[in-house]
Amino acid sequence: GESVGLHLPTLSVQEGDNSIINCAYSNSASDYFIWYKQESGKGPQFIIDIRSNMDKRQGQRVTVLLNKTVKHLSLQIAATQPGDSAVYFCAENRGGGADGLTFGKGTHLIIQP
Amino acid sequence: EAQVTQNPRYLITVTGKKLTVTCSQNMNHEYMSWYRQDPGLGLRQIYYSMNVEVTDKGDVPEGYKVSRKEKRNFPLILESPSPNQTSLYFCASSTRVTADMNTEAFFGQGTRLTVV
Repeated sequence: GESVGLHLPTLSVQEGDNSIINCAYSNSASDYFIWYKQESGKGPQFIIDIRSNMDKRQGQRVTVLLNKTVKHLSLQIAATQPGDSAVYFCAENRGGGADGLTFGKGTHLIIQP
Repeated sequence: EAQVTQNPRYLITVTGKKLTVTCSQNMNHEYMSWYRQDPGLGLRQIYYSMNVEVTDKGDVPEGYKVSRKEKRNFPLILESPSPNQTSLYFCASSTRVTADMNTEAFFGQGTRLTVV
């Protein structure tokens, strides 16, 4: 079946370093991808999105890269801060709005002081 | 303030006792969804609704019902809860993704349900 998943369940980085969180997807027809951040005790929050007609999109301290050839998505966080500690999910939009989101299983980002 | 509000935040119930988790959004969004989150499984969609009186099954609909009588509300109903429905539940709402417009799904704070 089609799935969106992550390579690593936990990622530990030093404060100030850059973080890279990876995601693989299998539905080659997907044309819209979103990264969410979920802090403990809260619902997922939108970080950044990207359409399939783009390879890269930048936000504030975050960059999403999309490689359609190998169906791979990554989230780069620059100068990681303690507040970045959270579980990060990639989501694939199957079409429509909230109805169409398929989530990966999540990566827990841990920031070491 | 744009928000999705779920109630209750925490609920402990017994097997077979019907319950409803409410969800309300104030953004006039067309789309609303329910997800459950379980360790190691991420977020899985239960049901979704594309507009008033329009609902569809997601990936794990068994044991759940929903209704969409008004645009702002999308309650999740468990007619006869069982222990395997113990989970963390999230409601989400969004506008529609089109070729010209992206969307952002807004999530509620979550409802932690325990069925004993």
